[in-house]
Amino acid sequence: GHLVESGGGLVRPGGSLRLSCADSGFTLTAEWMHWVRQVPGKTLVWVSRINVDETTRTYADSVKGRFTISRDNARRTVDLQMSSLTVDDTAVYYCVREYCSGASCYFDLWGQGTLVTVSS
Amino acid sequence: SYELTQPPSVSVSPGQTATITCSGERLGYRFTNWYQQKTGQPPMVIIYEDGVRPSGIPARFSASSFGNTATLTIAGTPPTDEAIYFCQVWDSSTAVFGGGTKLTVL
Repeated sequence: GHLVESGGGLVRPGGSLRLSCADSGFTLTAEWMHWVRQVPGKTLVWVSRINVDETTRTYADSVKGRFTISRDNARRTVDLQMSSLTVDDTAVYYCVREYCSGASCYFDLWGQGTLVTVSS
Repeated sequence: SYELTQPPSVSVSPGQTATITCSGERLGYRFTNWYQQKTGQPPMVIIYEDGVRPSGIPARFSASSFGNTATLTIAGTPPTDEAIYFCQVWDSSTAVFGGGTKLTVL
């Protein structure tokens, strides 16, 4: 499996951006896919998750109402539509696969990340 | 919301044992995962379910969890293990990460 993010870039405060994550293997048949972000040099922050049939989408409080996660299993993509962006959304955004072994789940595959910079 | 606390930095001499802690309320009742992030790279899981190493992770990495603290131990630390280490748990189906510990090997 191999995840590749795209769509990052420079956007003004209040603007919108759509990130996409493409899978080069069979990764995106995974039950859960997530987006995690990281301000360079800082910690990781979970952003959102979506299950395989899109019946459950969950968001961090900091992005709820502004970000929308979606997936297209036929195209093997997971997208993150971001709107009303603020400078606090500036970060590297990672597309991440969740893997579960028995009762334990963890992030077993990460993309290389795409940088989103919100600045005027 | 649930919080995890890690020391910002830990130093170890090459070949010695490094210990990185992760603290949270009743952490021992949750499974803790550990990730290693080298400069310019995405994180990589090195321990899951408190102490299980994924395939391909060297045996020098071990971990345990009890009470309010999870501990990652790196035995015989080589310079190539210099990285930032994050602990992670699940809280109401969302992922929570510790602040990360910068391991310096010198």
